[in-house]
Amino acid sequence: EAGVTQFPSHSVIEKGQTVTLRCDPISGHDNLYWYRRVMGKEIKFLLHFVKESKQDESGMPNNRFLAERTGGTYSTLKVQPAELEDSGVYFCASRHLNTEAFFGQGTRLTVV
Amino acid sequence: ILNVEQSPQSLHVQEGDSTNFTCSFPSSNFYALHWYRWETAKSPEALFVMTLNGDEKKKGRISATLNTKEGYSYLYIKGSQPEDSATYLCAFIMGGGNRDDKIIFGKGTRLHILP
Repeated sequence: EAGVTQFPSHSVIEKGQTVTLRCDPISGHDNLYWYRRVMGKEIKFLLHFVKESKQDESGMPNNRFLAERTGGTYSTLKVQPAELEDSGVYFCASRHLNTEAFFGQGTRLTVV
Repeated sequence: ILNVEQSPQSLHVQEGDSTNFTCSFPSSNFYALHWYRWETAKSPEALFVMTLNGDEKKKGRISATLNTKEGYSYLYIKGSQPEDSATYLCAFIMGGGNRDDKIIFGKGTRLHILP
């Protein structure tokens, strides 16, 4: 069974540009989570999808971040326009009811 | 605001010694408690999923206990080895139905094993 996949694995963009991160959860997992880890700090919750619906987006830092999960399958996280403080590793995790969360390998975003 | 607290934040342990650290979580609306191991440059991997008060789980030299009434879980590592160096995250899952599930992570305990 394929795990959670994220791409790109690494993205370097200039301040002001747009970047879109993608997460493909494990098939059949209704719950999809986005997290961010800024260098040297703890993992921070961004948002939670249940199928295609945003269950909780309280962790989204500002309106430059837009997440979608059309059709309840893969999800995208767009940052527009990117700022320096957006640099970090963005993790996606998926989970079915009663199981642990399975994480992707993360996308390392560097804004220069 | 729901908080999941882990202590200590960082820990240095001599190789061969045993150690333990704590995760504290809200005692209400409990559904499950997870422990994850997070190595540098990798993604978190689940160690334990704990759901019942009094649960004790073990995987090799690592074990965990759960007290949902008082809201804490301990993770124990026996005979620490260099490969145990990692950040250990606990995650509190509240709710219980698919739509109510929310995973709240602690800040982690960074474990450094000294040779």
